[in-house]
Amino acid sequence: SQQGEEDPQALSIQEGENATMNCSYKTSINNLQWYRQNSGRGLVHLILIRSNEREKHSGRLRVTLDTSKKSSSLLITASRAADTASYFCATDQGAQKLVFGQGTRLTINP
Amino acid sequence: NAGVTQTPKFRVLKTGQSMTLLCAQDMNHEYMYWYRQDPGMGLRLIHYSVGEGTTAKGEVPDGYNVSRLKKQNFLLGLESAAPSQTSVYFCASSSFGGYTEAFFGQGTRLTVV
Repeated sequence: SQQGEEDPQALSIQEGENATMNCSYKTSINNLQWYRQNSGRGLVHLILIRSNEREKHSGRLRVTLDTSKKSSSLLITASRAADTASYFCATDQGAQKLVFGQGTRLTINP
Repeated sequence: NAGVTQTPKFRVLKTGQSMTLLCAQDMNHEYMYWYRQDPGMGLRLIHYSVGEGTTAKGEVPDGYNVSRLKKQNFLLGLESAAPSQTSVYFCASSSFGGYTEAFFGQGTRLTVV
């Protein structure tokens, strides 16, 4: 079964608002990554957070990791129409595998 | 810099036909992956490779075979296509597995009729 599960499955917000999506996973990890997928395209890496880190920032992105709860969150601040996409978390399994969740579909309304 | 290139981009197969999907990367990455993406299912790992000459099963390997004869290429084969294999297939590569970011190809949309 898939390692990560994103919540919510779909999210629709107004441009300028913040978007938060969550990822839960089942087994211990070394790293957790977030990816974006625009419709019909391949996935693009956004950010990687290691198991000994609690928070990481990259531009308008903020990722948190709580290994005790086996969960992570991705916050996109001041959303833009171009942020409309699906977002996936991915976890390593024994460092070799990279396993993805089902994704959150984010829609930014103008 | 091409990154990860998948061939072909689209394909329609009849049930029982065979085909090979090619993935090529020019980043000298050790790790390569094949995923399938179905609506509502996210990406599911089919097979992966941790280096030239190695392959391993992922979450959904049945009906697929792979080969990694050259470091830059990872081939995904369907010996006898079934309608259940209709999907979008993505190849990805990374320098060190789950410890580093993965780079994805643009995908292959396969329809089996």
